[in-house]
Amino acid sequence: DTGVSQDPRHKITKRGQNVTFRCDPISEHNRLYWYRQTLGQGPEFLTYFQNEAQLEKSRLLSDRFSAERPKGSFSTLEIQRTEQGDSAMYLCASSVGRTAMNTEAFFGQGTRLTVV
Amino acid sequence: GNSVTQMEGPVTLSEEAFLTINCTYTATGYPSLFWYVQYPGEGLQLLLKATKADDKGSNKGFEATYRKETTSFHLEKGSVQVSDSAVYFCALSSSSNTDKLIFGTGTRLQVFP
Repeated sequence: DTGVSQDPRHKITKRGQNVTFRCDPISEHNRLYWYRQTLGQGPEFLTYFQNEAQLEKSRLLSDRFSAERPKGSFSTLEIQRTEQGDSAMYLCASSVGRTAMNTEAFFGQGTRLTVV
Repeated sequence: GNSVTQMEGPVTLSEEAFLTINCTYTATGYPSLFWYVQYPGEGLQLLLKATKADDKGSNKGFEATYRKETTSFHLEKGSVQVSDSAVYFCALSSSSNTDKLIFGTGTRLQVFP
């Protein structure tokens, strides 16, 4: 399977715990995005990497959130001291080049986080 | 700031009916416009896109035309099938180098035989 892969698919955690999600983009894609989707809403942008450089972060990304993309390949998103409001689907997407041109952003199936 | 507004669902139709899902946007510059679809249990998939005014995107019988004068990108299909049942998201990408997508809230389509 050469699509965008996310792991785990589901995560249930207790409030206050730390969680880490992984995204493996399509191998030649240099652009990687994280989005968050809550029930009944569209995905909201969290952060963007071009290769290993994190070039933009949304104000939604509080200081409890950190994302990395070492070596410009896979990426991790960590949430520290989780809160119930963090419960959502976390989506990863990747693309090569600008989506305004003849390229497409491919999405993974997401990691569903439930904080209890 | 940039935003997308789309009609609330669910939209319930019989098979072979005509579909319209309205989408309007607010943006600075010249964004590209997209429709994404999310089938049950699957990830978001690009359905169609248009990168400049008056462009028409089309795929799988779906069409949408980029109307700059009305800031709209309405999704249409002449004859829906049960297999089209899904959630449809309208989105725009900013004209910055980031190309992040800004999505509407999604419209659930239910097609009955």
